[in-house]
Amino acid sequence: QQQVKQSPQSLIVQKGGISIINCAYENTAFDYFPWYQQFPGKGPALLIAIRPDVSEKKEGRFTISFNKSAKQFSLHIMDSQPGDSATYFCAAGDGYALNFGKGTSLLVT
Amino acid sequence: NAGVMQNPRHLVRRRGQEARLRCSPMKGHSHVYWYRQLPEEGLKFMVYLQKENIIDESGMPKERFSAEFPKEGPSILRIQQVVRGDSAAYFCASSPETAANYYGYTFGSGTRLTVV
Repeated sequence: QQQVKQSPQSLIVQKGGISIINCAYENTAFDYFPWYQQFPGKGPALLIAIRPDVSEKKEGRFTISFNKSAKQFSLHIMDSQPGDSATYFCAAGDGYALNFGKGTSLLVT
Repeated sequence: NAGVMQNPRHLVRRRGQEARLRCSPMKGHSHVYWYRQLPEEGLKFMVYLQKENIIDESGMPKERFSAEFPKEGPSILRIQQVVRGDSAAYFCASSPETAANYYGYTFGSGTRLTVV
C-alpha cells in the first residue's frame, strides 16, 4: 500500500509563478519528511527536509509547510524558473528507509 | 570527492538471464541502501546493507533477488532469471557511519534495467 500519497501527478506553472505540491501520510511514526528533485536520467537529489516538530522550513525559493494534525505536508516553489522543471518526490521515514510518493512532474513554461 | 557510483548506467537483459548491478558508496560511507523505481512510480526500499551484513531486506522480493556488500569492493544487487516486470531503475544510496539513516543519504544516478 502507498504510505505517502502525492498530488498532483503533473503541474504546469508559468515562469515566476508559485508551484505547490502536496503530500499526505498515515503513519504517525514518521519523523522525517524530505523532498527530492529528480532530473531525467539522474538520481534523486535532496532539496529540502523537515522534522515534525517544525511547521515550516524555508530555503531560498523552496518552502516546506507541515501540518502534523492533518498528516499533510507541502512544497512551495516561489518564483518558479524553467530550470525547476523536473520530477519532485515527497518522502517520509521512521528509521533508515524512506517511503516515497509517486512523484509530480513539474513543467515551468 | 566522487559521489555514489553505480554501473552500468543501462543494462539490457533477455528474459531468464541474470542481472548484476553494482554500487560503490561515497568515500567514508559504510551503509548502502537499494531502491527500485518502476515506471511512473516513486522509489521503493529494497534492502539495507553494511559491510558483510544484510541489515534489512524486507523490501526485496523473496525469490530471484539477492544483495551483498563485501568487505572489499562494491555492493552488488543480483537478479536471477529476470522477467519483464523487473524492468525498472535501480538506485543505490549510501550514508556515513555517523548518520546511518536517511538523514545522510546520497543517491547514485541509478541503473536502468530493461528486460526484453
